[in-house]
Amino acid sequence: NAGVTQTPKFRILKIGQSMTLQCAQDMNHNYMYWYRQDPGMGLKLIYYSVGAGITDKGEVPNGYNVSRSTTEDFPLRLELAAPSQTSVYFCATESGTGYETQYFGPGTRLLVL
Amino acid sequence: TQLLEQSPQFLSIQEGENLTVYCNSSSVFSSLQWYRQEPGEGPVLLVTVVTGGEVKKLKRLTFQFGDARKDSSLHITAAQPGDTGLYLCAGLTTGANNLFFGTGTRLTVIP
Repeated sequence: NAGVTQTPKFRILKIGQSMTLQCAQDMNHNYMYWYRQDPGMGLKLIYYSVGAGITDKGEVPNGYNVSRSTTEDFPLRLELAAPSQTSVYFCATESGTGYETQYFGPGTRLLVL
Repeated sequence: TQLLEQSPQFLSIQEGENLTVYCNSSSVFSSLQWYRQEPGEGPVLLVTVVTGGEVKKLKRLTFQFGDARKDSSLHITAAQPGDTGLYLCAGLTTGANNLFFGTGTRLTVIP
């Protein structure tokens, strides 16, 4: 099993460009999350989903959008990229049955210039 | 927003020394988790504590959840270079669907 996969690993964007960060999981987990981690800091929740067709905002949703059409995939869309969105983005999954472990992907490093 | 403050922010120690990392909040959590993150990778869960006053041991690591479930500590005995990494606490509040992560403690253990 691959667990949680994220693509791309690294991307440079120009200000105003758009892109989609991909996240896929093969663990059949209901809950999925998108976090951003700025240098030397903890993680801040952007969006999360408790199941296909259901999404909700986290702490820092502005400038991002998500969709959850299947259990496996949870893409994060950046519209009109800004330098403040330079960060490392992590996708995570959780079974959602209780005090469960979150399993993280390897991250996508994004640089907006 | 529940704020989880970790201290110290940075810690550099010699191999064999002991250390304690703290995670504090004004909010009450139904459970608290500790993760370790190595450079270029996502965080990996170390432990979950759910009961006030609970103590869990994982080899040389001892985790404690405060009696009031607002704080937690991580104590490492005889630190090894392999303990180097970013340690993150994360709390779950009752009825919430998501964790709130702490600010992180970056530990370096020098051989």
